[in-house]
Amino acid sequence: GAVVSQHPSWVICKSGTSVKIECRSLDFQATTMFWYRQFPKQSLMLMATSNEGSKATYEQGVEKDKFLINHASLTLSTLTVTSAHPEDSSFYICSGHPHSVGDTQYFGPGTRLTVL
Amino acid sequence: AQSVTQLDSHVSVSEGTPVLLRCNYSSSYSPSLFWYVQHPNKGLQLLLKYTSAATLVKGINGFEAEFKKSETSFHLTKPSAHMSDAAEYFCVVSNTGTASKLTFGTGTRLQVTL
Repeated sequence: GAVVSQHPSWVICKSGTSVKIECRSLDFQATTMFWYRQFPKQSLMLMATSNEGSKATYEQGVEKDKFLINHASLTLSTLTVTSAHPEDSSFYICSGHPHSVGDTQYFGPGTRLTVL
Repeated sequence: AQSVTQLDSHVSVSEGTPVLLRCNYSSSYSPSLFWYVQHPNKGLQLLLKYTSAATLVKGINGFEAEFKKSETSFHLTKPSAHMSDAAEYFCVVSNTGTASKLTFGTGTRLQVTL
């Protein structure tokens, strides 16, 4: 149980284009979802916290107009990287929090974004 | 404020020998502590978690960790390493409560040799 999927698993795009990444909780309802970014050989850095039906809360230093997060339902959150640039290339990981199991977060498999 | 320090960035063991990955934490509240494993280009898998119940926590794949409040430690151990254990391991802390933010350690890369 507590499975989270992400789509796509990898994406290559041209500089200046926008990319949408989907995060789905497959067998539970996620009232809260988190988006992380991981650079090569580094740890995960929290980008934002999204609650279903409300605006996301962004961490300090994360541009909310560049990284658009939508949590339209209890099983789906999306991250859109707008006007992507090469420095946005990274591994993006989402997690879902099923309200019934305390503060355990269940992570998706990640999406590798490469911006040319 | 909360923080996590993983004392070793890289650990190498021979297959069949014990594994010890060290983690110290700092938290203003009663913490929840987790160990996650990440295989190359994959997401994170929960190995085990501590949430103020038994101080010795058993996880998946033969891993366990002991919460020691006096030492503010939560070291991960396994009696006998397997080649498939080679991966990146993250120690994580959160303040107790629903949907709390996780603070990640910098990770320990476990290498298992024949």
